Amino acid sequence: GNSVTQMEGPVTLSEEAFLTINCTYTATGYPSLFWYVQYPGEGLQLLLKATKADDKGSNKGFEATYRKETTSFHLEKGSVQVSDSAVYFCALRPSTDSWGKLQFGAGTQVVVTP
Amino acid sequence: DVKVTQSSRYLVKRTGEKVFLECVQDMDHENMFWYRQDPGLGLRLIYFSYDVKMKEKGDIPEGYSVSREKKERFSLILESASTNQTSMYLCASSLRDRDSYKNDQPQHFGDGTRLSIL
Repeated sequence: GNSVTQMEGPVTLSEEAFLTINCTYTATGYPSLFWYVQYPGEGLQLLLKATKADDKGSNKGFEATYRKETTSFHLEKGSVQVSDSAVYFCALRPSTDSWGKLQFGAGTQVVVTP
Repeated sequence: DVKVTQSSRYLVKRTGEKVFLECVQDMDHENMFWYRQDPGLGLRLIYFSYDVKMKEKGDIPEGYSVSREKKERFSLILESASTNQTSMYLCASSLRDRDSYKNDQPQHFGDGTRLSIL
């Protein structure tokens, strides 16, 4: 079946540090891949997406590249801010899905300290 | 901007009660979803709906039912609440794909309902 594996958190880092959150997936074909962010007390917001191999999604200084050969979609940001403290979810949508269903990873909490 | 509104942010109910969680979206989305979010487990799909009066089971439908009588509203029902249904419940909606080769329509989420069953 389809699955998404994310690195466990919490990830704690200082302001202006480099952030990487690993995400790997298992799926047949070419799923679409997404990163969502959940700020404290809120629902999930779409951060970025990629729909085919070698696509790079980017938003708010975050980037992720769809790597078919390693079945990965790692999230990166060059210089984090305290306001980036949140839980980050990697998700996939199978290529065979007709209804917009997503399979989520367990989430990675990121804590950025001043 | 898409707005997905869940009727309650916090709810406390007793074991055995029938509980209704309401969700409304204002962007004419065809698809709507109910998830529960638990620490270490991420989001798990309970039910989804792709049209009025249409519903499909997700990964963990046991103990739940849903209702979609109008396109903008999707209700989650706990028929007889139990303590293991204490959780954060998230509603989401999305547009149907306009291009069958691009499965890229994102889901838009409400702020969640934190439900406690005592």
